[in-house]
Amino acid sequence: AQSVAQPEDQVNVAEGNPLTVKCTYSVSGNPYLFWYVQYPNRGLQFLLKYITGDNLVKGSYGFEAEFNKSQTSFHLKKPSALVSDSALYFCAVRVDNTDKLIFGTGTRLQVFP
Amino acid sequence: KAGVTQTPRYLIKTRGQQVTLSCSPISGHRSVSWYQQTPGQGLQFLFEYFSETQRNKGNFPGRFSGRQFSNSRSEMNVSTLELGDSALYLCASMSGRHNEQFFGPGTRLTVL
Repeated sequence: AQSVAQPEDQVNVAEGNPLTVKCTYSVSGNPYLFWYVQYPNRGLQFLLKYITGDNLVKGSYGFEAEFNKSQTSFHLKKPSALVSDSALYFCAVRVDNTDKLIFGTGTRLQVFP
Repeated sequence: KAGVTQTPRYLIKTRGQQVTLSCSPISGHRSVSWYQQTPGQGLQFLFEYFSETQRNKGNFPGRFSGRQFSNSRSEMNVSTLELGDSALYLCASMSGRHNEQFFGPGTRLTVL
């Protein structure tokens, strides 16, 4: 069965420093992976996806993610964090040949000035 | 293009009542999915509709139901509300299979 794990409930980083939000996955076939961000009292905003191709995926707002098949990971990264990046981040995997998404538990990112 | 819209944004009901939530997808999107978000269970898939047909269903009791209309707008209904149904209900639309889903702002349901 497909699953997604986000091992860190919270990540703290100083503004201007690089940030990484971790995600590992378990799928039975080829992984379709997504990152979403949620600001308070808002829905989820799509950041980026991996379907196939280059292992480094670039997305919105300067975020990128690195797909690593051998480590079954899809970590979200940004070279220089902004205070406005503070939010809740979700990793998700598509289930089999459906469009149902399974989400991780979320990681709260706090960027301090 | 306007994004996914959901109405109402906030709702307060009492146990035993029923509720209907509405979702209007992005223009041209024919797939609509619903998710429930709670602090304890996180984000959980409810169901997905495409061309007025339910394509996938999550592990929720039969009290949760949905439908999609010919204009792709969707509604979900929860009957005999329980306290545990208090949650943020998110709707998402998608332009085609295997693409990313775009989420609405959600409906915050509180059951007293």
